[in-house]
Amino acid sequence: KAGVTQTPRYLIKTRGQQVTLSCSPISGHRSVSWYQQTPGQGLQFLFEYFSETQRNKGNFPGRFSGRQFSNSRSEMNVSTLELGDSALYLCASSMLTGGTGELFFGEGSRLTVL
Amino acid sequence: DQQVKQNSPSLSVQEGRISILNCDYTNSMFDYFLWYKKYPAEGPTFLISISSIKDKNEDGRFTVFLNKSAKHLSLHIVPSQPGDSAVYFCAARNPNTGNQFYFGTGTSLTVIP
Repeated sequence: KAGVTQTPRYLIKTRGQQVTLSCSPISGHRSVSWYQQTPGQGLQFLFEYFSETQRNKGNFPGRFSGRQFSNSRSEMNVSTLELGDSALYLCASSMLTGGTGELFFGEGSRLTVL
Repeated sequence: DQQVKQNSPSLSVQEGRISILNCDYTNSMFDYFLWYKKYPAEGPTFLISISSIKDKNEDGRFTVFLNKSAKHLSLHIVPSQPGDSAVYFCAARNPNTGNQFYFGTGTSLTVIP
């Protein structure tokens, strides 16, 4: 079956702009999590959505937001972009929230802020 | 606050030898641990996991060891192969936060042919 799909794969923005990233989970997966990967910081948890509800939120400012649609597709938005937001944004899906199961990651959206 | 730490950013090993990747954590509430492997331009892929009630889990060439008293996790790859060259992330789950996994910063493994 198709894996986790993230769009766009690469994008360049300037400071102050906003950006929306999209994630389509594996069919049947209802939990979608977002992570930010930067050099030296590993994967930092942004938030998790399950059945259109945000279940958990990481320690990121309010400029980072997300949502999930009824078909489990998810979007994340970053407003008023800063240089430090340049990172690889990874989306992961899983069957159930709170499960012990693995997260299935997409290839990521690489955001560069100039 | 980095609750999961991988103190070795990189590791080089000869093909056929053992690779040992280490991970330390600070939160004794973590109950489930996973290792992910990441190639450039790809998302991380699940490798192996271990529950906190166990101290060892083996899957082919990969074995994960858990020392709860030391809050230490290690991944052993035997024998190492050039295709194992990738970045390895350990992750730990806090049962109080559902599916929120805490990831380490990664260790870049290079297996030299």
